[in-house]
Amino acid sequence: GQQLNQSPQSMFIQEGEDVSMNCTSSSIFNTWLWYKQDPGEGPVLLIALYKAGELTSNGRLTAQFGITRKDSFLNISASIPSDVGIYFCAGHSGQGGKLIFGQGTELSVKP
Amino acid sequence: KAGVTQTPRYLIKTRGQQVTLSCSPISGHRSVSWYQQTPGQGLQFLFEYFSETQRNKGNFPGRFSGRQFSNSRSEMNVSTLELGDSALYLCASSLLGQGIGYGYTFGSGTRLTVV
Repeated sequence: GQQLNQSPQSMFIQEGEDVSMNCTSSSIFNTWLWYKQDPGEGPVLLIALYKAGELTSNGRLTAQFGITRKDSFLNISASIPSDVGIYFCAGHSGQGGKLIFGQGTELSVKP
Repeated sequence: KAGVTQTPRYLIKTRGQQVTLSCSPISGHRSVSWYQQTPGQGLQFLFEYFSETQRNKGNFPGRFSGRQFSNSRSEMNVSTLELGDSALYLCASSLLGQGIGYGYTFGSGTRLTVV
C-alpha cells in the first residue's frame, strides 16, 4: 500500500537532547499530521498542519508543512522520558477520512 | 465525552475462521475509518464509512468488509482468516465538516491473532 518515507526509523537519545524526524512523499498532501503511539494504544494526534509553509508548535513540539506540500518535519526539544514511543507522520489528500502513514520513528530516551 | 470504543480488545482466531470487530465512534461523529497495523506494513487504510455508505476503500482483498449502522457504529469483518491477518485493527472517527486533524480520533484497537 501507499506509504510515506519517514526517517529515521529509530532514535536513541539522552534526556534533554533535541530530536528531529521527517517525512517525504512523492505525492502532494493538503494536510500533514503528526501522531504518537504508545504500546497497546491507538495513535494520538500531536500536531496538525493545514497550509504549505506553516510552522506550528505544541509545547516542546514544533512541526512544519513543507513548501512543496510533499514533506514535513517534527522537532522535539529538551526530550524527557515520557517522550518515549513511536511517532508517525500522516498525509491527507482530501479523500474523506483516508490517511496515508509513514512507517514510524521509534524514540527511546535514556534518563 | 467518551472516546472511540473498539471491542473486543484482544481476539485469537484459527486460520479459516471469520471475525467481526466493532467500533463505536465519538457521539455525533458520522465518519468511521478502519486501519490495519502490522510491523511489516505499518498502518494501512482499509475503508471509510460515512452515513452508512462506504466512502473510501484501500487495497485489501474482498475478504475484508465492513458496514456502518444508522447510529454510526461500524463493524468490520474478515472472512477465511489467514496467518498474515494477525494485526492491530484501529478505527478512527471524525465529525463531518471538521478538519481532518483535530477531530479525527483513534480508538485503542483490537489485537487479532490468527493461529
